[in-house]
Amino acid sequence: SQTIHQWPATLVQPVGSPLSLECTVEGTSNPNLYWYRQAAGRGLQLLFYSVGIGQISSEVPQNLSASRPQDRQFILSSKKLLLSDSGFYLCAWTGTGSYSGANVLTFGAGSRLTVL
Amino acid sequence: GQNIDQPTEMTATEGAIVQINCTYQTSGFNGLFWYQQHAGEAPTFLSYNVLDGLEEKGRFSSFLSRSKGYSYLLLKELQMKDSASYLCAVRDSNYQLIWGAGTKLIIKP
Repeated sequence: SQTIHQWPATLVQPVGSPLSLECTVEGTSNPNLYWYRQAAGRGLQLLFYSVGIGQISSEVPQNLSASRPQDRQFILSSKKLLLSDSGFYLCAWTGTGSYSGANVLTFGAGSRLTVL
Repeated sequence: GQNIDQPTEMTATEGAIVQINCTYQTSGFNGLFWYQQHAGEAPTFLSYNVLDGLEEKGRFSSFLSRSKGYSYLLLKELQMKDSASYLCAVRDSNYQLIWGAGTKLIIKP
């Protein structure tokens, strides 16, 4: 069965510090991978998605970046965090059959980032 | 623009029935999803509708009317563990998910 792992679960970082959140998927190959952010009391905001190694699409211009160095690994990074980067970050995956059926989006457990 | 509307918060009593509505205006339609999200946790998939009608899954049912841009999630025999946020999402013509802000459901004994 497929599983998705995301870490760290929580982190507190000072303004201006770097960030690295990592996500890996097991039990599938060539998944579509996503990074979402959820601010308190607000909906899910798609940040990046990837359909393959080295292929990253950015949905929202900001000081965050994403990379996909391996098929089942997706990394969210920042060189200098801002206060507004605080939130709940969620990695998710779908199968490659995105254009048929339900192709449900499955989320990792999430990473709660607090920037002080 | 694309828009998903859901009530911000609802309150219901344990053992009762509650209906959470979702209306949408999107560029195309390729399915509607409902997710449950407990506080501090990730969303988990509940249901998927792509054709008009009712999909029943145990205590939870989801209804879709594409002509009206409308869906609802029906929860029966409410339990305290059903206290959570319920997220509605629509997959548009580009196969991207558009998310509502979620409905926080509070269950009272």
